[in-house]
Parts: sequence; structure tokens; C-alpha cells
Amino acid sequence: NAGVMQNPRHLVRRRGQEARLRCSPMKGHSHVYWYRQLPEEGLKFMVYLQKENIIDESGMPKERFSAEFPKEGPSILRIQQVVRGDSAAYFCASSPGRGEVEQYFGPGTRLTVT
Amino acid sequence: SQQGEEDPQALSIQEGENATMNCSYKTSINNLQWYRQNSGRGLVHLILIRSNEREKHSGRLRVTLDTSKKSSSLLITASRAADTASYFCATDARGAQKLVFGQGTRLTINP
Repeated sequence: NAGVMQNPRHLVRRRGQEARLRCSPMKGHSHVYWYRQLPEEGLKFMVYLQKENIIDESGMPKERFSAEFPKEGPSILRIQQVVRGDSAAYFCASSPGRGEVEQYFGPGTRLTVT
Repeated sequence: SQQGEEDPQALSIQEGENATMNCSYKTSINNLQWYRQNSGRGLVHLILIRSNEREKHSGRLRVTLDTSKKSSSLLITASRAADTASYFCATDARGAQKLVFGQGTRLTINP
């Protein structure tokens, strides 16, 4: 059973470009979470999605950031018009739901904005 | 904020010694989990303890939870060089699925 997959692993964007980060949850998992980690810090929650629904986006910046988890395909975290402060590691986690609280993390995407 | 705080921020011990890390949080929780992160890598789930549990073991790991003090500790016995990593506690509140992470403890095991 493959774990949570994220791609790309490393992404370099210039200021003003768009960044698209992809996450494929573990097989059988229908809940996806996105977290951001700045250097030397813990992870900060961004958004929680189930298939075709955003359940909790309380950690998402109000502008430039969006997330989706379509019926088919991976979850996408999209950052428009990136700025240097967006440079961070972005982690995706998944869980099966149904009362299971353990979240399984992917390897992360390291975004560098130049 | 439910932000957890780990203590100490950094810990360096000799191989074979025991390592203890502490975590405090601010609001009522449903569960508390500990994760390990090797440098530049993703998080590995270590152990989950529910709010109605006081102690849990898994191999060389021992976790305690004191809800009256809103604190938890992670003990790694007979440490190995491969245990070198950052360790994070994460809590989730009733009715909320998101995890709130602490700042982490950077553990270094010296051979």
C-alpha cells in the first residue's frame, strides 16, 4: 500500500508565478490535510478537505491560496502570485475518516521563491 | 491558541541514554500524537494517546499524558544514533480534525 504521495518534491518559482502542489492520499483515505512548515518551526494547519468539499480552511491565507480535492485525481494546493514569504515546506496528510484520527504524512514539497 | 510547546527545544545525549521530551498545550484535547521528522523529510507517526489514557508504550517509546496539567512526555529508552531527529507533539480538539503542532524538540544522539 503506497503511502501519501506528493509532487513535485522540490519546486522553484519566481516572484509572481503560480505554484501548484499535488497530493495523492493513501489508498482508501478520503480526508486530506495541508500543512505548512517554515524553517526551524512546527507545522501549521492550512486546510482540511474531503472529496469535493472544503471542510475547514481556517489556516489558509485569505488571498492567493486555494485548495481542492476533486472527485477524481489528487488534491491540489495552488498559490498564485508567489512571494518570497511563501518559501516553505508544504506537507499533505491523509486519513481514512470514520473516526480514525491518525494522519499519515507525505514527504512534502519544498517551495523556493526566488 | 492551542499551540503546543515542546521542552527542551534541543537535546543532545550519548547513545544508550534515555531521552525525555515534554509537550504542553493550552486547551482541552481529544488526542495527542507524537511524530518524528528526520532532517528535510516528512513526518513519521510514532504514537497516539487518547485524552482518557494516562500512559502508552510502543517498543522503546513511552508516552504519558496528564490532562490536568495539559502536558505530555515522550521517553525514548536506550537511544540509538538513528533516533536523531526532531520530535513534535500534535493535538486535536473535539469536533476538529486539524492537528496543532508544537515547535518541536531537536534530539541529537552522539555515538
